Amino acid sequence: DVKVTQSSRYLVKRTGEKVFLECVQDMDHENMFWYRQDPGLGLRLIYFSYDVKMKEKGDIPEGYSVSREKKERFSLILESASTNQTSMYLCASSLMGLVTYNEQFFGPGTRLTVL
Amino acid sequence: AQSVTQPDIHITVSEGASLELRCNYSYGATPYLFWYVQSPGQGLQLLLKYFSGDTLVQGIKGFEAEFKRSQSSFNLRKPSVHWSDAAEYFCAVVMYSGGGADGLTFGKGTHLIIQP
Repeated sequence: DVKVTQSSRYLVKRTGEKVFLECVQDMDHENMFWYRQDPGLGLRLIYFSYDVKMKEKGDIPEGYSVSREKKERFSLILESASTNQTSMYLCASSLMGLVTYNEQFFGPGTRLTVL
Repeated sequence: AQSVTQPDIHITVSEGASLELRCNYSYGATPYLFWYVQSPGQGLQLLLKYFSGDTLVQGIKGFEAEFKRSQSSFNLRKPSVHWSDAAEYFCAVVMYSGGGADGLTFGKGTHLIIQP
């Protein structure tokens, strides 16, 4: 089974702190994604990566950055956390899909609270 | 820009009754459409997907969905719901990037409540 793990299920940080959310997948997937989930807004794509050191902005990249130094690991970074970044963060991975879509597998999520 | 609309925020259904969750999409080309389910405290799980061909697709857990191009819809159905089906359901469409990764655009979700 594909497994996507996220470093923390719950995280509490203070405004202005630098926050790292880590995601690891064990199926050698090329693509990795970070989504944010908020009530009434569904999931929104923050950043994604289709290869090591490659990254592309999603729908809401402002206030976030990412790092992909190894194929299996994709980190989401909040340079200076703000209260409006309190949310559930979901990581996903998939195989490269040049012609057809490949299913995205999701991690359990990290619920981040910024005080 | 593509978008996905789930008109119902909450739906309440009695156990054993039939279910239909609505999804409408806006996309220029033939869409790749998906339904995901999220149980409380869990990540998302793929229920079913439509790429092409037969417009009625079968998924896991007894769910099915029908793609109707004329109505830009991809509604999810189940003939008889179980209490374990209580969850959040998301419809999604894939968008393409030049690099080959496929990000998903999600609807806002429908919260399904099952009455005993």
